Amino acid sequence: EADIYQTPRYLVIGTGKKITLECSQTMGHDKMYWYQQDPGMELHLIHYSYGVNSTEKGDLSSESTVSRIRTEHFPLTLESARPSHTSQYLCASTQGDLSGANVLTFGAGSRLTVL
Amino acid sequence: QKEVEQDPGPLSVPEGAIVSLNCTYSNSAFQYFMWYRQYSRKGPELLMYTYSSGNKEDGRFTAQVDKSSKYISLFIRDSQPSDSATYLCAMRGGLSGSARQLTFGSGTQLTVLP
Repeated sequence: EADIYQTPRYLVIGTGKKITLECSQTMGHDKMYWYQQDPGMELHLIHYSYGVNSTEKGDLSSESTVSRIRTEHFPLTLESARPSHTSQYLCASTQGDLSGANVLTFGAGSRLTVL
Repeated sequence: QKEVEQDPGPLSVPEGAIVSLNCTYSNSAFQYFMWYRQYSRKGPELLMYTYSSGNKEDGRFTAQVDKSSKYISLFIRDSQPSDSATYLCAMRGGLSGSARQLTFGSGTQLTVLP
């Protein structure tokens, strides 16, 4: 059982609403990531963090923002949701690269639908 | 052109069949190769990872990497209905900068029929 939790699992909201997707992990991992996943498409990295107060944008441009105030918590926020934000958002974490593999542990995902 | 190409399927096989899932890639800097399994309404979970070329076996699963052909495969022997899932290949280069980030394939949806 993965020790990384995402809430809400499913969210349907109207255009213009502010939403926050929560992600918490109990493994003490330094590195955390947000991916966007659409049907039949590869996972795209939208944000990552290598530690507290460290956040970077990923390869895929996103209007969302993230924060990393505590090691275990990495929330993603959309200030004004639009239908184009409809997607599955996956949070992941890893301890580090010393082994070289950068193996990620994923949460179950938050499926967002914006009407 | 995508850095990683994966046949999306869907692939449907009878129980007990040998399944072959494949990815090709274009970036010769990739050194770490992974296979993730994703059940419906769940996040991906790591199945296997290999470094550089060669084979790795874990129970019914075998991962193969051929760097000269830029081709990786996952074989599932004696496939079971519980293997029904989407399989994602992922890979990355070295340890520095953007090479740390994984590049994923689009996934192959597999159904094993009882």
